[in-house]
Amino acid sequence: DIQMTQSPSTLSASVGDRVTITCRASQSISSWLAWYQQQPGKAPKLLIYQASSLQSGVPSRFSGSGSGTEFTLTISSLQPDDFATYYCQQYNTYSTFGGGTKVEIK
Amino acid sequence: QVQLQESGPGLVKPSETLSLMCAVSGSAISSAFYWGWIRQPPGKGLEWIGSIYHSGSTYYNPSLESRITVSLDMSKNQFSLRLSSVTAADTAVYYCARQVGDGAQFDYWGQGALVTVSS
Repeated sequence: DIQMTQSPSTLSASVGDRVTITCRASQSISSWLAWYQQQPGKAPKLLIYQASSLQSGVPSRFSGSGSGTEFTLTISSLQPDDFATYYCQQYNTYSTFGGGTKVEIK
Repeated sequence: QVQLQESGPGLVKPSETLSLMCAVSGSAISSAFYWGWIRQPPGKGLEWIGSIYHSGSTYYNPSLESRITVSLDMSKNQFSLRLSSVTAADTAVYYCARQVGDGAQFDYWGQGALVTVSS
């Protein structure tokens, strides 16, 4: 099984901050990684796929990078709607999600 | 606009079978996508359960494979999940979603259905 580890588990930040979330895979997954945003009580929303491709309609302040075993999601300037929980998903072998990173208001 | 909607019992007894349907609109399930199920226990993270292609081929989470069946109903443009021998650990919000390609990202999701396993 491929394990996905996200860090940090919780992140406190302010509007306008640059935020980076890391996702590490237990083995190489090439670029087969997606990022999702989940608001409380809502379904996850796809932000990034194939590590760095921006899903249609997603603001350009979101970006993804990485390959192999280490990946990052960056929000260039945090907006009020961005306070949420973020998950990575590997789809190299079956599908596994990371444990999530909650971005909260500082 | 692609929309998915889960439906099914909100309460299932231990040892029984959980059954959920996902009605799809705006996208034919006969088209070249995979259709999947993901669950989220209360306050916890996401777990992929299994997926099915329009051809009917399936692939399942190895940790759940012995208990899962995912199937298509082309006539109603919907797909289903059956999870047998449930326990309290299967209590979760169950999401259905469209998957872009073989084992890939999920681009459209249903709103989720809470299923509680309790006697």
